[in-house]
Amino acid sequence: ETGVTQTPRHLVMGMTNKKSLKCEQHLGHNAMYWYKQSAKKPLELMFVYSLEERVENNSVPSRFSPECPNSSHLFLHLHTLQPEDSALYLCASSQDRAGPNQPQHFGDGTRLSIL
Amino acid sequence: GESVGLHLPTLSVQEGDNSIINCAYSNSASDYFIWYKQESGKGPQFIIDIRSNMDKRQGQRVTVLLNKTVKHLSLQIAATQPGDSAVYFCAENESRGNLIFGKGTKLSVKP
Repeated sequence: ETGVTQTPRHLVMGMTNKKSLKCEQHLGHNAMYWYKQSAKKPLELMFVYSLEERVENNSVPSRFSPECPNSSHLFLHLHTLQPEDSALYLCASSQDRAGPNQPQHFGDGTRLSIL
Repeated sequence: GESVGLHLPTLSVQEGDNSIINCAYSNSASDYFIWYKQESGKGPQFIIDIRSNMDKRQGQRVTVLLNKTVKHLSLQIAATQPGDSAVYFCAENESRGNLIFGKGTKLSVKP
């Protein structure tokens, strides 16, 4: 139990569907992150939120739309995705965004498959 | 660009032996490093971290060594067990607070 919960664990969707990934952290952290993990690639940072404000958008296509309604919840809204978007999407949180002694704690991810 | 990488993509060890997983980093300004373990079907799990003002840190059965001269990081696992089988990632903390991850090393433990 990492304190970061992601739902759903698995998602299969067509390219024209709209779906959302949910992340909830129970650690009292102020920063939350979305990452994409593809086979044979390092983890790719997508978005960073600090105190509910988006502080980084790492050149992510607009078909991915994050939302952070409060410091405990983070969503990733998906629409018109492409087959190459199939991957494991990981959510993480840390006490604060920057500085040493700020390890990120990850959820178990949502395995997304685009048909 | 600057990156974090791993010397060995796979490592196979006998149960009970010690394991050493290596990592090279290129950003000399990085001041914080983390090792993660990722088991199949799970997210990365924090193992141990080290700040750049230290060269060694020990945890339970794990030790991280940092050599800033050659920009090298290693994770040592003592008395490796089957439950240690996983992919191990090192990550460095860049100035903006983002983590840069390596590709990972797969550790397989033979019984």
